[in-house]
Amino acid sequence: DQQVKQNSPSLSVQEGRISILNCDYTNSMFDYFLWYKKYPAEGPTFLISISSIKDKNEDGRFTVFLNKSAKHLSLHIVPSQPGDSAVYFCAASAGGADGLTFGKGTHLIIQP
Amino acid sequence: DTAVSQTPKYLVTQMGNDKSIKCEQNLGHDTMYWYKQDSKKFLKIMFSYNNKELIINETVPNRFSPKSPDKAHLNLHINSLELGDSAVYFCASSQGRGHGQPQHFGDGTRLSIL
Repeated sequence: DQQVKQNSPSLSVQEGRISILNCDYTNSMFDYFLWYKKYPAEGPTFLISISSIKDKNEDGRFTVFLNKSAKHLSLHIVPSQPGDSAVYFCAASAGGADGLTFGKGTHLIIQP
Repeated sequence: DTAVSQTPKYLVTQMGNDKSIKCEQNLGHDTMYWYKQDSKKFLKIMFSYNNKELIINETVPNRFSPKSPDKAHLNLHINSLELGDSAVYFCASSQGRGHGQPQHFGDGTRLSIL
């Protein structure tokens, strides 16, 4: 039972363009959503989060959009840089629960 | 300085053995976690500890037991290892419980069962 879904296993984007990574969820109890970036042989690194009471959060080149009625969020990276090539995980937390529920990840490849 | 460190990075052992993975965080966080990333690449929560109290156990077999000697450490002991235990295990920590607190992860321990 996948409560957080990332339906694109991989995405290829040209350097300088916008990268858009998508995430869908099914659990209405999720109140926070987080994006993590992961390089091979390293642990996930926190990028940006958004509360369910907001529809947008921005941090530098990274912006997360939340559409609560569609149970959909997206991460925009602009402009995309070669160092952005990594696996991106969407994660969610529900209320006071501590564990994060992760999607399967999207492998972003930035082409020169 | 490494914020969340796990040892060993690689662990190869035979079925039936007992092994431990250590985790330490120097961030002063009060909550620590263990996640398992299986062959399908899903990261799934196994345990979390807050102030030395277990607060989540996501139907993990009782062969797995977390032990926290203090707030900065959460070790994972695994008894009678099985083939299905082969995975990457990640330790993480955060300040506070839930409510979107970002979790900081270690680099993982790749466990291979022969």
